[in-house]
Amino acid sequence: EAGVVQSPRYKIIEKKQPVAFWCNPISGHNTLYWYRQNLGQGPELLIRYENEEAVDDSQLPKDRFSAERLKGVDSTLKIQPAELGDSAVYLCASSLSGQLMEQYFGPGTRLTVT
Amino acid sequence: GENVEQHPSTLSVQEGDSAVIKCTYSDSASNYFPWYKQELGKRPQLIIDIRSNVGEKKDQRIAVTLNKTAKHFSLHITETQPEDSAVYFCAAHAQGGKLIFGQGTELSVKP
Repeated sequence: EAGVVQSPRYKIIEKKQPVAFWCNPISGHNTLYWYRQNLGQGPELLIRYENEEAVDDSQLPKDRFSAERLKGVDSTLKIQPAELGDSAVYLCASSLSGQLMEQYFGPGTRLTVT
Repeated sequence: GENVEQHPSTLSVQEGDSAVIKCTYSDSASNYFPWYKQELGKRPQLIIDIRSNVGEKKDQRIAVTLNKTAKHFSLHITETQPEDSAVYFCAAHAQGGKLIFGQGTELSVKP
């Protein structure tokens, strides 16, 4: 069974440029999460989807970040425009629906903003 | 707000020794506590989890204990091996379904 897939794995952009990350969850996992992991810290949730509905986006900086999961399967996270402080690893995770379900992480996208 | 504190931030042990990592959480409603292992440049991987209806869970060399009254939980690794070297994160399930992660413990097992 394939795990969570993310692309690209690495991205280097200049500040003020846009960038997008893509995630395909484990088949059958209706819940999808986007996390940001700064160097030396634990992941922090940005947004959580149940199917195509964003049920928790309280930590998403909505002035520059957006996300979508139009068909309830794969998802895209976008930053426009990027700032230096956005440099981090962006992790996608998925789980079965319901409370207390194990979350499985993708390999992440390491973003460097110069 | 919801918070998880993890200690120590770094831990160095000799191969064969035991390692213990401790976490405390603030949300008394938390009832699911996973532990993740993250090797350098790789994804966090779930290694063990515990739910609030049990006080201890063991899987081979790894065990987790939970004290809900004190709001803390711990990871115990026995007979450590060099391949156990990684960063370990604890997490607590918060209201609304999200996980709150600790700051991580960098474990180094010296051969």
